[in-house]
Amino acid sequence: QVQLQESGPGLVKPSQTLSLTCTVSGGSFSSASYYWSWIRQPAGKGLEWIGRIYISGSTNYNPSFKSRVTISVDTSKNQFSLKLSSVTAADTAVYYCARGTFSGIYYTDYWGQGTLVTVSS
Amino acid sequence: DIQMTQSPSSLSASVGDRVTITCRASRSISSYLNWFQQKPGKAPELLIYAAASLQSGVPSRFSGSGSGTDFTLTISSLQPEDLATYYCQQTYSTLTWTFGQGTKVEIK
Repeated sequence: QVQLQESGPGLVKPSQTLSLTCTVSGGSFSSASYYWSWIRQPAGKGLEWIGRIYISGSTNYNPSFKSRVTISVDTSKNQFSLKLSSVTAADTAVYYCARGTFSGIYYTDYWGQGTLVTVSS
Repeated sequence: DIQMTQSPSSLSASVGDRVTITCRASRSISSYLNWFQQKPGKAPELLIYAAASLQSGVPSRFSGSGSGTDFTLTISSLQPEDLATYYCQQTYSTLTWTFGQGTKVEIK
């Protein structure tokens, strides 16, 4: 059974960089059939796709985040990470990491439990 | 960007009712449409992928249909445990994937 677990600071100051790591257990982390995503959800609001990374290191980001976002992968640790710079209160949200599968169509089949990140001084 | 619009935003139905949620894409996305269920305080879970394929372990009362711009998620007989918010998501775009705004399902 694939499991994903987010980790990182729960409180980040405005203008600083939010950094989260997702550790994956079970399954085949390095398979080319999978991709690894970050999605966030402000309290009481809907889901917002942040970006994804393939095991090759290729990435795609939501243009809404412009140049603030970086997703990276560490295959030796079965981990992938999110960095979001210049954060404001609007970046306060539950952040989810997730695994996606490609089999003719892309779909996200496993999610972490989510971690709340609050941006406040 | 491809915009996804769900309707209704919320609904209330009785146990045993047939429930239908629609999702409309701003342009054709073929069948690149997934549905997720998010129960209160929990992470989303995949229900349907490729518009109509039921994810393993999901009850058969859930079904999906549609292609192009118009899609439907149907719960054939609503159960108390179906209390949740449901989201569609397109994965057609090669760059950005977008979610609908969600449909909250309540039990009367």
